[in-house]
Amino acid sequence: DSGVTQTPKHLITATGQRVTLRCSPRSGDLSVYWYQQSLDQGLQFLIQYYNGEERAKGNILERFSAQQFPDLHSELNLSSLELGDSALYFCASSRQGWEETQYFGPGTRLLVL
Amino acid sequence: GQNIDQPTEMTATEGAIVQINCTYQTSGFNGLFWYQQHAGEAPTFLSYNVLDGLEEKGRFSSFLSRSKGYSYLLLKELQMKDSASYLCAVRRGSSNTGKLIFGQGTTLQVKP
Repeated sequence: DSGVTQTPKHLITATGQRVTLRCSPRSGDLSVYWYQQSLDQGLQFLIQYYNGEERAKGNILERFSAQQFPDLHSELNLSSLELGDSALYFCASSRQGWEETQYFGPGTRLLVL
Repeated sequence: GQNIDQPTEMTATEGAIVQINCTYQTSGFNGLFWYQQHAGEAPTFLSYNVLDGLEEKGRFSSFLSRSKGYSYLLLKELQMKDSASYLCAVRRGSSNTGKLIFGQGTTLQVKP
């Protein structure tokens, strides 16, 4: 158990819908990262937040957005969902932005039908 | 741009030693990580190299050569539970960002 929690574990929804994935980092960690893992793309970095502010951005679609709240939990919002958005979404956290290790949560498996 | 290459699959025998290679081409290199991932589960941290050389941690060791853009993960005394995907990841950017770029992963199958 990494100490990072994610909810929900599984999510099934329809195309065009909007969902919110939630992540609570390890106690004391200030940075939160979101990754998407699909079968054909591997693990892809989406976005990083540090202490409430966006710090780095990867290949995140405009339909996706994220935020980190004052209590340091983070949410990833996915809208206008398409079939290709079906994937495992992982959240990771680290102490600071330059901390050497990111600890991953158990992930949210999203299925878009 | 960035490019990280690992073999797709490897097979080894229980009790043996296996070496998983990773080559990378990326700007702004700021460290290399190895993660283990069992199917459908979260990646778990194995090792980290930022300077050239070998880092040893129990049955696992990782090596880095920055000039060659090369790393390997060495697993000794293989156990059946080591069957998993091994992900090589490069950290890019300045010291206050932690963006990781992952390779496609190497699926290791350990046979009795």
